[in-house]
Amino acid sequence: GAGVSQSPSNKVTEKGKDVELRCDPISGHTALYWYRQRLGQGLEFLIYFQGNSAPDKSGLPSDRFSAERTGESVSTLTIQRTQQEDSAVYLCASSLEWGGDQPQHFGDGTRLSIL
Amino acid sequence: SQQGEEDPQALSIQEGENATMNCSYKTSINNLQWYRQNSGRGLVHLILIRSNEREKHSGRLRVTLDTSKKSSSLLITASRAADTASYFCATWYTNAGKSTFGDGTTLTVKP
Repeated sequence: GAGVSQSPSNKVTEKGKDVELRCDPISGHTALYWYRQRLGQGLEFLIYFQGNSAPDKSGLPSDRFSAERTGESVSTLTIQRTQQEDSAVYLCASSLEWGGDQPQHFGDGTRLSIL
Repeated sequence: SQQGEEDPQALSIQEGENATMNCSYKTSINNLQWYRQNSGRGLVHLILIRSNEREKHSGRLRVTLDTSKKSSSLLITASRAADTASYFCATWYTNAGKSTFGDGTTLTVKP
C-alpha cells in the first residue's frame, strides 16, 4: 500500500503569507505526528493526533501554527503570517497506534522557504 | 533540550568497515528507536530496543542499550555506500507521550 504522502513537496512564499501543508497518512493508522526539521538538525516535535482524542499541541512554537485532522485521515498544518524563521522541512509521520513501541512511518516532507 | 544526543556528529569510513554511532539520553526511558534518513527524504525506522533489553540484531545492524549509562549504540557491520545517510535515535518515556529525536549522526561510506 501507499506510504505517507505530503504535499506540496516544496513551497516558496513571501514573509507574511499563510501556508497550508497537507499530510495523507497510511490507511488505518490512528496516530499522526508533525515535526519540523531545520537544516542539519534533528526533528522538533510540533503536534500529534491520536484517534478522537484531543491533540497534543505542546510543541507548536507559537499561535501562528495550527493543525487539524479529520478522523483518522488527512491532516493539515497551517502557518499564518509566515516568518523567515519558519523556513524548514516539515515532516509528517503516522503509526498504527499511539505509543513508543510503534514505528513511525514518515513522508518525505514539505520544504518550506520563506523569502 | 533534546532527550537523545548522537555522537559523533559526522563519521566517514571506507566501504566494508564497521560504523558505530552512539546515543545518550537524560532521563529513564521506556524504549529507544533508531531511524535512518537519506538526503531529502523522510526517516525510515530501523530497529526498536526496549528498556529491559540489552542487545538486538537486525541483518547488519546491532543495537545495544545500557540503561545504567543512559546510552545506546548502533553498529553497522560491513558498511556499503548505500548506508550513507543520517542516523537518529528517538527516545520515548511515558510521561512525555511522544518521541524525542537527537540531532543525528551523518555517516558517509566511501566506495
